[in-house]
Amino acid sequence: DIQMTQSPSSLSASVGDRVTITCRASQGISNYLAWFQQKPGKAPKSLIYAASSLQSGVPSKFSGSGSGTDFTLTISSLQPEDFATYYCQQYNRYPLTFGGGTKVEIK
Amino acid sequence: QVQLVQSGAEVKKPGASVKVSCKASGYTFTGYYMHWVRQAPGQGFEWMGWINANSGGTDYAQKFQGRVTMTRDTSISTAYMELSRLRSEDTAVYYCVTGNGSGYWGQGTLVTVSS
Repeated sequence: DIQMTQSPSSLSASVGDRVTITCRASQGISNYLAWFQQKPGKAPKSLIYAASSLQSGVPSKFSGSGSGTDFTLTISSLQPEDFATYYCQQYNRYPLTFGGGTKVEIK
Repeated sequence: QVQLVQSGAEVKKPGASVKVSCKASGYTFTGYYMHWVRQAPGQGFEWMGWINANSGGTDYAQKFQGRVTMTRDTSISTAYMELSRLRSEDTAVYYCVTGNGSGYWGQGTLVTVSS
């Protein structure tokens, strides 16, 4: 199985900060990577697919990059509604696997 | 707009089975695979398998083979996931997921397994 490792596992940031989360795959996955946002008690919301393509309706402050084994999710200017847990997921090979999550908290 | 609406929460005893439904709307149901993913309380995500909504073909994660069955009814655009021989470790929120890059998720169904 492909292991997905996210870092950091948590971070504290202020409104307006630029935030970057990384995701590393244990083997190459081309660009078959998605990012999700999850708030407590809610279903995940898809943000990005194919490593850098924004899902419909997702604001452009979210961006993704990377290919192969190393990927990043960037939030350009953190807003109160962005405080949540973020997950990456590879869909290059079955079984689909997920990162452990990065909790973004208010500083 | 794409919507996946799942059935309500369930409480089951160990050894029982549970069947969760996922009704799709806003897209061509048979055009995409439907995946099932679960999330135990306070934990990460675990992929369980997929069903090809067109052909009915399935592929299950090794961990669940022999215990999970995924089916669909194209006449009502609904997918189902049945998990048998439940144990306490199966307590989780179960999600149906579809679309490019897992773009659309159901609202989740909490399944609690407790004696």
